[in-house]
Amino acid sequence: AQSVSQHNHHVILSEAASLELGCNYSYGGTVNLFWYVQYPGQHLQLLLKYFSGDPLVKGIKGFEAEFIKSKFSFNLRKPSVQWSDTAEYFCAVAGAGGTSYGKLTFGQGTILTVHP
Amino acid sequence: GAGVSQTPSNKVTEKGKYVELRCDPISGHTALYWYRQSLGQGPEFLIYFQGTGAADDSGLPNDRFFAVRPEGSVSTLKIQRTERGDSAVYLCASSPVPQGEQFFGPGTRLTVL
Repeated sequence: AQSVSQHNHHVILSEAASLELGCNYSYGGTVNLFWYVQYPGQHLQLLLKYFSGDPLVKGIKGFEAEFIKSKFSFNLRKPSVQWSDTAEYFCAVAGAGGTSYGKLTFGQGTILTVHP
Repeated sequence: GAGVSQTPSNKVTEKGKYVELRCDPISGHTALYWYRQSLGQGPEFLIYFQGTGAADDSGLPNDRFFAVRPEGSVSTLKIQRTERGDSAVYLCASSPVPQGEQFFGPGTRLTVL
């Protein structure tokens, strides 16, 4: 069975600090990888995704993530966070190819609080 | 354009009652997913529809849960004999293709007293 583990439940940073949120997954096959974000009072939104190709993917609002296949990891990074990045972040994995249909398995989420 | 909508946004019910939760996907999206998110957890898969048929219902917790999508658009998640443990946010997502980006609705917060 597939699973996703996010290393931190709650991260607190000051504005301009760098961010890295860890994500490791377990899945016996080719995967598509995602980071979703949920801002306070809003619904889940896609931040970035990896399907194939360059393992370093760039998303919205200056976020990027690196897929390291050998480590089964897909860590999210941002060089300089802003107060508006305060949100909950979810890593997710789905099987790719063949009869896969995009069923997402999510991690438990990381709450990011950025202080001005 | 319009996103995924879900109604009601909040539902409070008593233990043992029946509830229906509705999802309106983005027009033209053939793939529809239901997830359930408990407090402090990530969303968990419940069921997947491709068109009108439930292609995978392996995430439904038990036979009190059922979902339909009769015309390949709107979907309804039905819960019979609700229990306190069913309290959660029920999320719906749709996608233009099965392995595409999923667009999530705002969710229905179900509280069973």
